[in-house]
Amino acid sequence: GQQVMQIPQYQHVQEGEDFTTYCNSSTTLSNIQWYKQRPGGHPVFLIQLVKSGEVKKQKRLTFQFGEAKKNSSLHITATQTTDVGTYFCAGPRAAGNKLTFGGGTRVLVKP
Amino acid sequence: KAGVTQTPRYLIKTRGQQVTLSCSPISGHRSVSWYQQTPGQGLQFLFEYFSETQRNKGNFPGRFSGRQFSNSRSEMNVSTLELGDSALYLCASSLVAQHNEQFFGPGTRLTVL
Repeated sequence: GQQVMQIPQYQHVQEGEDFTTYCNSSTTLSNIQWYKQRPGGHPVFLIQLVKSGEVKKQKRLTFQFGEAKKNSSLHITATQTTDVGTYFCAGPRAAGNKLTFGGGTRVLVKP
Repeated sequence: KAGVTQTPRYLIKTRGQQVTLSCSPISGHRSVSWYQQTPGQGLQFLFEYFSETQRNKGNFPGRFSGRQFSNSRSEMNVSTLELGDSALYLCASSLVAQHNEQFFGPGTRLTVL
């Protein structure tokens, strides 16, 4: 079945530094979604990418969907303590198919 | 606009019992999905309902079942509880389909003793 892997599993970042987390699917995805879950909270939708090679920015966050629509990345610049949480990517193989979540990247920020 | 609500928020059961969890989606949302979240397995998809019909199903045993009512509210049931069923059960609603933006509820924390 479809598998979605995220690396790294844990990311310790110094406040102010940049980092990137990666999402790789075993199958082509019709779209990719990113969610953020704060400690003790529930996942909150961040963004959805649909087109091959698409890049979207939200303030300090940059999301990219790979050309083959099998991978994606999230890049955060100038990390802040508010960025603490677990970032999940998720995607369906095709529209209407079930959404498969990656295992998440847990981000810890050192002040 | 009220968010997704889930009841109860916390539940303690013993092995062999059954449990029913409830989810009320955002008004106007017709798709409701259920997920199990555990530290070791991450977010695992259980099932999706749309217009009272199960549209997608994850790889869980038949002890896990669900349904959706005409007002889009959904329930999931777990029978013959096992220790491994202890988890956070999350419900998410979306306007039309699971592959669109999902809005998650706060979850129900189930502990099986």
